[in-house]
Amino acid sequence: NAGVTQTPKFQVLKTGQSMTLQCAQDMNHEYMSWYRQDPGMGLRLIHYSVGAGITDQGEVPNGYNVSRSTTEDFPLRLLSAAPSQTSVYFCASRAEGRAVKETQYFGPGTRLLVL
Amino acid sequence: DAKTTQPTSMDCAEGRAANLPCNHSTISGNEYVYWYRQIHSQGPQYIIHGLKNNETNEMASLIITEDRKSSTLILPHATLRDTAVYYCIVRSNTGTASKLTFGTGTRLQVTL
Repeated sequence: NAGVTQTPKFQVLKTGQSMTLQCAQDMNHEYMSWYRQDPGMGLRLIHYSVGAGITDQGEVPNGYNVSRSTTEDFPLRLLSAAPSQTSVYFCASRAEGRAVKETQYFGPGTRLLVL
Repeated sequence: DAKTTQPTSMDCAEGRAANLPCNHSTISGNEYVYWYRQIHSQGPQYIIHGLKNNETNEMASLIITEDRKSSTLILPHATLRDTAVYYCIVRSNTGTASKLTFGTGTRLQVTL
């Protein structure tokens, strides 16, 4: 298994540009989520999905859109990038359900700089 | 989900046990204690979790107090590669949208 993969690894955008951060997992996990991490801070939840066709907002959703058309993919869209969105973005997935051993697996991150 | 309080930073000599404390005084009965770590610039990595009993795996041990208001993560023989930020998180394992809420964690520096 490749686990959770993210592309690109690095991206530089100009203010107002749009882009999509890709996230894919091959573990057949129902739950996927996007976090952002600013320097010296913990991770903050942007959006999450509990299955294909179902998404919901996290702690800091403004400026981001998501969709979940398949179990494997959970792209994050920035419609009009702003310098405040400069951050490291992590995608994560885990199995959903009531079993205790549901650990969350994180991707390697995408480093985004908005000028 | 209950909030957690952790020291900002700790040092540990290589080969010694690293004991990382966490306070979660508002934890509720169905909330688990999770520990993750983040090695520089990488995605967080799961370490261990527990409800009320002490837990041990190949990476660490988790000691939860009887009243569940605090816990300690123990790395029995710390190595330089254990230098990382360690996050203590409490969350419910019920419901379809149980989420991890990260604080700022404890920055563990393992030294020679």
